[in-house]
Amino acid sequence: GIQVEQSPPDLILQEGANSTLRCNFSDSVNNLQWFHQNPWGQLINLFYIPSGTKQNGRLSATTVATERYSLLYISSSQTTDSGVYFCAVVRGNTGKLIFGQGTTLQVKP
Amino acid sequence: GAVVSQHPSRVICKSGTSVKIECRSLDFQATTMFWYRQFPKQSLMLMATSNEGSKATYEQGVEKDKFLINHASLTLSTLTVTSAHPEDSSFYICSARFNSYEQYFGPGTRLTVT
Repeated sequence: GIQVEQSPPDLILQEGANSTLRCNFSDSVNNLQWFHQNPWGQLINLFYIPSGTKQNGRLSATTVATERYSLLYISSSQTTDSGVYFCAVVRGNTGKLIFGQGTTLQVKP
Repeated sequence: GAVVSQHPSRVICKSGTSVKIECRSLDFQATTMFWYRQFPKQSLMLMATSNEGSKATYEQGVEKDKFLINHASLTLSTLTVTSAHPEDSSFYICSARFNSYEQYFGPGTRLTVT
C-alpha cells in the first residue's frame, strides 16, 4: 500500500519562529489533507490540497503531486500552534485516509 | 460548516460490558463515515468504513463482531465495543466524508476499560 512519511518527527520552536513540515508519499493520490491535532485530541482541518498552493493566515501549504510531496509552512509561530500535525492521503476512490506518523510541534514562549 | 460531533467524550466501563459511541454530522449529510483508533503518541489507524444503509467494511485485523458499526441515517453512525477488555482502552475518533474526498473529524471518545 501507499506509504506516507512525515518529517521531522519532532520540532521545538521559539515563539515567532517559522517552520516547514514535510510529507512524502509513495504513489499518486486523489486527495491530501493536513490536520492539526490539539492537546485535547481534536483533529482540525487545515488544508485540503491535492495539488497547488493555498494560504490561510499564518499557514500555507504546497503540494507537488508529480514529485509526491507536500509542505506545510507555519510562520510567526505561537504557543497555540503546539500539537501534532498530520498529513493524510487518499488513493483511489475508497475515500480512506492514510495517515503519516505526524510531526509533534512544541512552541515555547 | 462541516461539524462532526461524538458522544460520549469520555467513558469508563467495566471489563465485559459493552459501550456505544455515537458520531453525528451536524450540518451536512454523510453517506460515508469512518472510525479510527489512536493509541498514545501514535497515528490514527483506520478501523472501518461505515456506509449508510449497508454493512460496514472492516480493515484487516479488526474484529467485526467486537466492533459493531451501524449507520442507520445520513447523519449518524454508531460504534459499539462489545465485551470490552482493558486492551480495548483507546481514543476512538470518527470522521464524516464531506464531499468526494474531504473528511471532517469528531472530537474523539476516550474509552477506559477497568
